[in-house]
Amino acid sequence: AQTVTQSQPEMSVQEAETVTLSCTYDTSESDYYLFWYKQPPSRQMILVIRQEAYKQQNATENRFSVNFQKAAKSFSLKISDSQLGDAAMYFCAYRSAGNDYKLSFGAGTTVTVRA
Amino acid sequence: NAGVTQTPKFQVLKTGQSMTLQCAQDMNHNSMYWYRQDPGMGLRLIYYSASEGTTDKGEVPNGYNVSRLNKREFSLRLESAAPSQTSVYFCASNWGSTDTQYFGPGTRLTVL
Repeated sequence: AQTVTQSQPEMSVQEAETVTLSCTYDTSESDYYLFWYKQPPSRQMILVIRQEAYKQQNATENRFSVNFQKAAKSFSLKISDSQLGDAAMYFCAYRSAGNDYKLSFGAGTTVTVRA
Repeated sequence: NAGVTQTPKFQVLKTGQSMTLQCAQDMNHNSMYWYRQDPGMGLRLIYYSASEGTTDKGEVPNGYNVSRLNKREFSLRLESAAPSQTSVYFCASNWGSTDTQYFGPGTRLTVL
């Protein structure tokens, strides 16, 4: 299974400021998908953003954007204009583009937003 | 549109007891998955069903069995629960291998 590493167990950000979460992964494949999921205290896993490896353009969803560096195998998530509702655990995940159904998850980063 | 639903939301078992976690989706998805979430380890795949009538082992299948009852429902059974199976269990579904997975609300299981 691919290894996904999130090196920051916890991050804290002031409301309205920007925070960046890091994610690195290990793979020998050239085509794959990367995801960021948000898990608030309700425990529900919510898709934040998705990136296809063959696309050079970084994905963006409103205040959430990624910095995808394929050569470095890095996939960071930037949360701009942080809001109290952004407080959650964030998981980075990897899946092969082949006929492989498995999602490999990182250990997660807990984001705290200070009012 | 309920998406992915799971029952129960919470459960406490004694060591050796059995139980079945239920999962249903109303999105007409082909593939369904069971994960467990433990502190500091993210989510790990237990079993999955690529399509109705098929099931396959994931990363941590030992101690579990699954049944894909029909296209909508995918159950996870613990035949003889152990304290090591204390975890939060998530069901997920999608159209197929390349599609985004959508998750249920989770079941918190404690085995004493």
